[in-house]
Amino acid sequence: GAVVSQHPSWVICKSGTSVKIECRSLDFQATTMFWYRQFPKQSLMLMATSNEGSKATYEQGVEKDKFLINHASLTLSTLTVTSAHPEDSSFYICSAHTGTGMYTEAFFGQGTRLTVV
Amino acid sequence: GDSVTQMEGPVTLSEEAFLTINCTYTATGYPSLFWYVQYPGEGLQLLLKATKADDKGSNKGFEATYRKETTSFHLEKGSVQVSDSAVYFCAFKAAGNKLTFGGGTRVLVKP
Repeated sequence: GAVVSQHPSWVICKSGTSVKIECRSLDFQATTMFWYRQFPKQSLMLMATSNEGSKATYEQGVEKDKFLINHASLTLSTLTVTSAHPEDSSFYICSAHTGTGMYTEAFFGQGTRLTVV
Repeated sequence: GDSVTQMEGPVTLSEEAFLTINCTYTATGYPSLFWYVQYPGEGLQLLLKATKADDKGSNKGFEATYRKETTSFHLEKGSVQVSDSAVYFCAFKAAGNKLTFGGGTRVLVKP
């Protein structure tokens, strides 16, 4: 199957700093990628839809100025957590889709565990 | 609104026991249905899927049948192994490729 690589797998940063997380589709092109946030022992919450060459679409309640998404190419989307605070500590997961219509399939990155101290 | 409801865990089983995880959904139209598995510290992996009513998805001994009349997609495995210990997520995909996930069910299989 297709491979989505997410980097870094974990990061610890100080409050007030910014952290960038990369999501790459290694063997296919993805015009759309999705960013999720997962709290401990909870489900995935969709944060935003990343669109290549255009602005991301954020879900209600997600601060676009805090979670900056850039989808600069068909194989790379980045999520930057700006001015991170301890409450931003979480597991962030990206996904990319192959195929079209009902035959699309989502492939997920390995996730990034962010700890803000 | 659209939602997925799955049984809460944790579910603790002995090896070779039968596993069932219930999942029901609320969605407009006829979405595609999925089960994903998440091993500790990892992202999600597609376990199986079904795209239309009465379809049965199967993989690695797991099965689930798309039941439109009951809006359900229950996951089953006849004989679990310790390596099946993970968190299982039921999900559906409607328009725009957005996936809606259930809360996840943690399964622990003991030797």
